[in-house]
Amino acid sequence: SQELEQSPQSLIVQEGKNLTINCTSSKTLYGLYWYKQKYGEGLIFLMMLQKGGEEKSHEKITAKLDEKKQQSSLHITASQPSHAGIYLCGADIRSGNTPLVFGKGTRLSVIA
Amino acid sequence: NAGVTQTPKFRILKIGQSMTLQCTQDMNHNYMYWYRQDPGMGLKLIYYSVGAGITDKGEVPNGYNVSRSTTEDFPLRLELAAPSQTSVYFCASRDRHLDFYGYTFGSGTRLTVV
Repeated sequence: SQELEQSPQSLIVQEGKNLTINCTSSKTLYGLYWYKQKYGEGLIFLMMLQKGGEEKSHEKITAKLDEKKQQSSLHITASQPSHAGIYLCGADIRSGNTPLVFGKGTRLSVIA
Repeated sequence: NAGVTQTPKFRILKIGQSMTLQCTQDMNHNYMYWYRQDPGMGLKLIYYSVGAGITDKGEVPNGYNVSRSTTEDFPLRLELAAPSQTSVYFCASRDRHLDFYGYTFGSGTRLTVV
């Protein structure tokens, strides 16, 4: 079973529109990491959330971790072509030094 | 500061051939990881290491081997390549404490087995 579910799998939005990507865990989240990947490149760190209710923003991207610490959302305001790519969430679901588990990713396309 | 460097970036192998994917980091990180990424499947952990001389299996270790003789290097060996190993391989590292930035990833190796 997939420990970390991302939705939607893919998303096509018009430039300027807002969008939300969700990441749901079947276990308690001890840390949640959002990464962005462009085709043919590695993963670029976006944000890390740790505490229930925590919210962080960077430019037009906001990430939240719900108070039950089992779901996170990534919200992009006024999307731009530069936001296109694959967004992945990675989670520390066991605490300590166990490797992060990752969702399957959300492919975002932004059209003019 | 180069971060995590992976070589080669692309490779085509014939079935049954072997190769080593190289991974080097210059951040003095103790923890290193190998993931594979298949289309629509996210990242799956192959092997990881918590320090020189220590390695452990991840979710999908079959067909692969690793070694960690130094802190900097964590090569991934493919023996008897199979079409199922066609994938993009990512190496990552992190500090002893899972800090604010999580993992630092290399740019990946795209492997095709024909």
